[in-house]
Amino acid sequence: ETGVTQTPRHLVMGMTNKKSLKCEQHLGHNAMYWYKQSAKKPLELMFVYSLEERVENNSVPSRFSPECPNSSHLFLHLHTLQPEDSALYLCASSQGVGVQMAFFGQGTRLTVV
Amino acid sequence: QKEVEQDPGPLSVPEGAIVSLNCTYSNSAFQYFMWYRQYSRKGPELLMYTYSSGNKEDGRFTAQVDKSSKYISLFIRDSQPSDSATYLCAMSRGSQGNLIFGKGTKLSVKP
Repeated sequence: ETGVTQTPRHLVMGMTNKKSLKCEQHLGHNAMYWYKQSAKKPLELMFVYSLEERVENNSVPSRFSPECPNSSHLFLHLHTLQPEDSALYLCASSQGVGVQMAFFGQGTRLTVV
Repeated sequence: QKEVEQDPGPLSVPEGAIVSLNCTYSNSAFQYFMWYRQYSRKGPELLMYTYSSGNKEDGRFTAQVDKSSKYISLFIRDSQPSDSATYLCAMSRGSQGNLIFGKGTKLSVKP
């Protein structure tokens, strides 16, 4: 069991739906991240939060909207997604931004139909 | 040239074999080097962490970093079927730098 928990584990949504991914870390870390993992591609960093403030947004389309209400919780709000957005979405945390040991959750397998 | 290159495999070896997994990189500013293991339908888990050049050993696993060649390796001795997974290398400049990942190498250890 990891210290980073993601829900749901699987999600199927239509292109007009709105859904949210949730991440919770129990490690007392100050930084949280969203990554996208697609087949045959390296992990892509989407968003970085440090102490609840967004410190990086890697040119992610606005149909992905992150929210970090506190240092233990991170959300990714999804709306009007495209089929190419289907992927494994991974949440991670670390002690601080630039601290290199990141711990990952199990991921949410998203399918957009 | 991509920042981090990793052969995606798949790599298939018999049980007990020594496995060598490798990544090359182009950014000489990278100082922190990691290996993650990812089982099917799971998130990546940190396996090895190395700062700068040198070797690090943990049980059957040895990580090597050669900064002069911009080359890192992960060796698995006495490989087991339970080692079957995708192995991701990752590295960063440190400080405020983000992790840059390789594509991952899929390893299969046959009994």
